[in-house]
Amino acid sequence: QVQLVQSGSELKKPGASVKVSCKASGYTFTTYAMNWVRQAPGQGLEWMGWINTKTGNPTYAQGFTGRFVFSLDTSVRTAYLQISSLKADDTAVYYCARDLSFPDAFDIWGQGTMVTVSS
Amino acid sequence: QSALTQPASVSGSPGQSITISCTGTSSDVGSYNLVSWYQQHPGKAPKLMIYEGSKRPSGVSNRFSGSKSGNTASLTISGLQAEDEADYYCCSYAGSSWVFGGGTELTVL
Repeated sequence: QVQLVQSGSELKKPGASVKVSCKASGYTFTTYAMNWVRQAPGQGLEWMGWINTKTGNPTYAQGFTGRFVFSLDTSVRTAYLQISSLKADDTAVYYCARDLSFPDAFDIWGQGTMVTVSS
Repeated sequence: QSALTQPASVSGSPGQSITISCTGTSSDVGSYNLVSWYQQHPGKAPKLMIYEGSKRPSGVSNRFSGSKSGNTASLTISGLQAEDEADYYCCSYAGSSWVFGGGTELTVL
């Protein structure tokens, strides 16, 4: 079946980096754009940006430039989110979400990856 | 890009209907027929319930419906059931970006 499976929870110290993976199955990976969405504890959803899975070109939302990097490995149908120089307020669940038909809607979501930043 | 405006909470009794509003601007909701709605149960990933303003993905109950007027989109849930209790988020395309609403907590009394 069509699904996105993300990597497991991470506990990191401030200043460290983290790389979250999102592995797709059940569909042609390069046909659909991939988005990243953040949800801080007890807060709402926040769109971080997207990556064109055909070209690898990323687009970042305001507030997610500089320390955030989207990348792909199409050979293993996986998208990645890397966050560097982690801060406490990066603590959140990070979701990958497929775009139904860019731009359209996010029809398939990963299960989420909890990233905790704490000393 | 400012978040879309949703009521923080709504409630209804089983069998009743409720409507959740989502107010944006002429740069997002008002300009595109690309409003979607997501249901999120505690500890779970969001689930697409409505896309392109009023379309339902396969498998979503026809008790869920969406509409739009001007800069405001709405999600209506009819025949409320206990399992509808969740957080609901609207989302709109804003021309090269997406913006979510702040979320609405639905309580089924």
